[in-house]
Order: sequence, then C-alpha cells, then structure tokens
Amino acid sequence: GDSVTQMEGPVTLSEEAFLTINCTYTATGYPSLFWYVQYPGEGLQLLLKATKADDKGSNKGFEATYRKETTSFHLEKGSVQVSDSAVYFCALAYSSASKIIFGSGTRLSIRP
Amino acid sequence: EAGVVQSPRYKIIEKKQPVAFWCNPISGHNTLYWYRQNLGQGPELLIRYENEEAVDDSQLPKDRFSAERLKGVDSTLKIQPAELGDSAVYLCASSLDPGATIAEAFFGQGTRLTVV
Repeated sequence: GDSVTQMEGPVTLSEEAFLTINCTYTATGYPSLFWYVQYPGEGLQLLLKATKADDKGSNKGFEATYRKETTSFHLEKGSVQVSDSAVYFCALAYSSASKIIFGSGTRLSIRP
Repeated sequence: EAGVVQSPRYKIIEKKQPVAFWCNPISGHNTLYWYRQNLGQGPELLIRYENEEAVDDSQLPKDRFSAERLKGVDSTLKIQPAELGDSAVYLCASSLDPGATIAEAFFGQGTRLTVV
C-alpha cells in the first residue's frame, strides 16, 4: 500500500542554518505530495504542495521538489528562524481518494 | 473567519468510560474528517463525511467508536467504552472540495485524550 517515510527527529539547528528534512514515499499511482506543519499549540497547516513530477512547491522560504525517479519530496530552507520550530509532516493524497496519508512527523527545533 | 473548532482541548477519563468529541467545521465546508494521531506518529483517518453522509469509515473501529454529523455541519465522535490504547490526539478537519483539493484540508487544534 501507499506510505510515507520521513527522517526521524528531533532535528536541532542554529538560526540561519540550512535545513533539509528527508521524505520518501511509496505509491501505487501518481499522488500529490504535501508538507504540513504543526506549530506548538496549533492545528496542522498546509505548508506547500506539488501535484506532479518535477513540480516545486514553495511557501515561507521552504521548498520541496516532487522527484518521481527517487520517490522523494525533501523539504529545504536556506536560512531557518526560531519561528520555524514546529513538527513537519510529509504526506500524499490522490485527488480521487478519501484520505491523506501522513508520515510520522519530524520535530524541528531552532536555537537562537 | 473562524477555523475548525474542536472541544474539549483535553480530556482525561478512566478506562471503560464513554467520551465524546465535538467539531465545528469551517462554514460552507461540506467535507469533514476525523483523524487520530498517536504519539510520535502522523494522523490516520478514522472517518470522512460528505455533508451528512459517512463516505469512508473503513478505519473506524465500529465496535466502540461512533460518529455522526447531523445536518451536515457539526460532528461528534464518540468512544464507548474507552480503552487505554485510545489515548491519542483526535483531529477534526474540513475542506471545501472533496476532489482535487482534498488535501487542502483545514485542521482544528485537536482533542488530546488520556485514558487512565
């Protein structure tokens, strides 16, 4: 079945460091891919998405490229801020399906 | 505009007791989801509604879990009786379009259930 695997956390970085959170997926079809973020005390929010191979999603300085050849959707940011501290979830979904399949989440902590 | 509202935020109950969670989706959103998020894991779908119809409840443990969405707006998720393994965060989400934008769902803050 379909699944999402992302790097285990926690990930701790200093402010202004470069961020990569790895995500790979297994899919029987051609899903859309997503990154959700959960800030402390808040609900899940969609961060970015890509709907087909080679698409790049971007938002708030974060980027991720849909790589079909490596079945990956790694999240990157060039210079992280303390306010980026949160839990990040990689996910996939089909437009005709009824659910989003999430990875286990990666907790990111940024030191001032 | 108000987001998805869930209550209560926290609930502690003894095992074998019943518990209920309430969700008010974003106004106009026809699709409503209930997810369960165990500690250290991603959310997993329990049930999805299109208006008042449950269109996917394949992951809902029907022996103890029930849900309803009367009038196609608010929804209630119930567990009776609760077990220790039900301790988790229960998330409600809603979306406007059940098709192509399915993953653009808006999530509530969740209800953290602890069964002791």
